Amino acid sequence: SQTIHQWPATLVQPVGSPLSLECTVEGTSNPNLYWYRQAAGRGLQLLFYSVGIGQISSEVPQNLSASRPQDRQFILSSKKLLLSDSGFYLCAWSVLVDTQYFGPGTRLTVL
Amino acid sequence: QKEVEQNSGPLSVPEGAIASLNCTYSDRGSQSFFWYRQYSGKSPELIMSIYSNGDKEDGRFTAQLNKASQYVSLLIRDSQPSDSATYLCAGFQEYGNKLVFGAGTILRVKS
Repeated sequence: SQTIHQWPATLVQPVGSPLSLECTVEGTSNPNLYWYRQAAGRGLQLLFYSVGIGQISSEVPQNLSASRPQDRQFILSSKKLLLSDSGFYLCAWSVLVDTQYFGPGTRLTVL
Repeated sequence: QKEVEQNSGPLSVPEGAIASLNCTYSDRGSQSFFWYRQYSGKSPELIMSIYSNGDKEDGRFTAQLNKASQYVSLLIRDSQPSDSATYLCAGFQEYGNKLVFGAGTILRVKS
């Protein structure tokens, strides 16, 4: 069966610091991978998605970036965090493009 | 107009009752719809998908889709306190090739 991991689970970072969140999927090959952000009390916002190694599509222009160095690895990064980057970051995977499964998430607080 | 709209709630129902959660969508091109359950502090969990007009049943859950009226609903029979969570409705947007989520409805089942 498929499993998705995210780390770290929680993170507290100062404004202006860099960020690296990692997501890995086990038990499937060539999945579609997604990064979402959920701000407090708000809906899910799609940030990036990837259909293969090195293929990244950005949904929202901002100070975040994503990379997919391996088939089942997806990384979310920032060079300088803003207060507004705080939120619950969720990685998701799919084989069928519309049926997506979420990882456990990373709760980021920027102070 | 939001693409997927849900009443934020909270919707309170007594234990054993039927909980009815509703969702409307604006994109007539959307063909597939999903319900996710999200417990406080946790990531969303896929509980139902529906692609055709009518009802789809899975245990205590029934998803209903009416494409002419552009609404999706989720019925939970014999509601339990463990069903207390936020329920997210999502529709797959064909032209954007992405899932679009509503902000979620908070359900509280009181024992």
